[in-house]
Amino acid sequence: GENVEQHPSTLSVQEGDSAVIKCTYSDSASNYFPWYKQELGKRPQLIIDIRSNVGEKKDQRIAVTLNKTAKHFSLHITETQPEDSAVYFCAASIKNNQGGKLIFGQGTELSVKP
Amino acid sequence: GAGVSQSPSNKVTEKGKDVELRCDPISGHTALYWYRQRLGQGLEFLIYFQGNSAPDKSGLPSDRFSAERTGESVSTLTIQRTQQEDSAVYLCASRLAGGGGRAGSPFFGPGTRLTVL
Repeated sequence: GENVEQHPSTLSVQEGDSAVIKCTYSDSASNYFPWYKQELGKRPQLIIDIRSNVGEKKDQRIAVTLNKTAKHFSLHITETQPEDSAVYFCAASIKNNQGGKLIFGQGTELSVKP
Repeated sequence: GAGVSQSPSNKVTEKGKDVELRCDPISGHTALYWYRQRLGQGLEFLIYFQGNSAPDKSGLPSDRFSAERTGESVSTLTIQRTQQEDSAVYLCASRLAGGGGRAGSPFFGPGTRLTVL
């Protein structure tokens, strides 16, 4: 079955620096890769997603890159702010018009120090 | 519109009792997921429903866990003979199916925090 590995488990950066979180997946048929942000005590919130027909997607300070050959994808946050501090989860699924099972990585706790 | 809702928000039970958790998906969302999140841990897949297809139960940790969904509406997750290790937040998510391989992104409910004493 699908397995998703996420690194690092914790990441501490200074405000204004960039943060990068990396994930690898096992099932080459995976074609949908969302990223979620979870603040303490709250539900996971979708922040960006990418489909396998593109290699990169950007939304303001957030970008995601995908390397299908290597089966890995990364989240990039630029100009980090203290409010970016949270746990970030990557996920992968085989996406069809029915949706598909979604498997999550173990999470990265990001701390942005002012 | 209304998001995914779950009830109860908190549940405290005694070891050995059965509990039932409820999820109301976003209207029109045909896909529904259940996940378990232990304190400080990741999202552990439990079960996935898609329309009238047979559910993917591959994540259920034991036969004490079961879930049902009628059509494209509410789902219930039942845990029988609860154990202390069942203590966790149980999260539900729903997703809109789409044509051409472009199903929507999953949205999560607020979760049910289960504490087994």
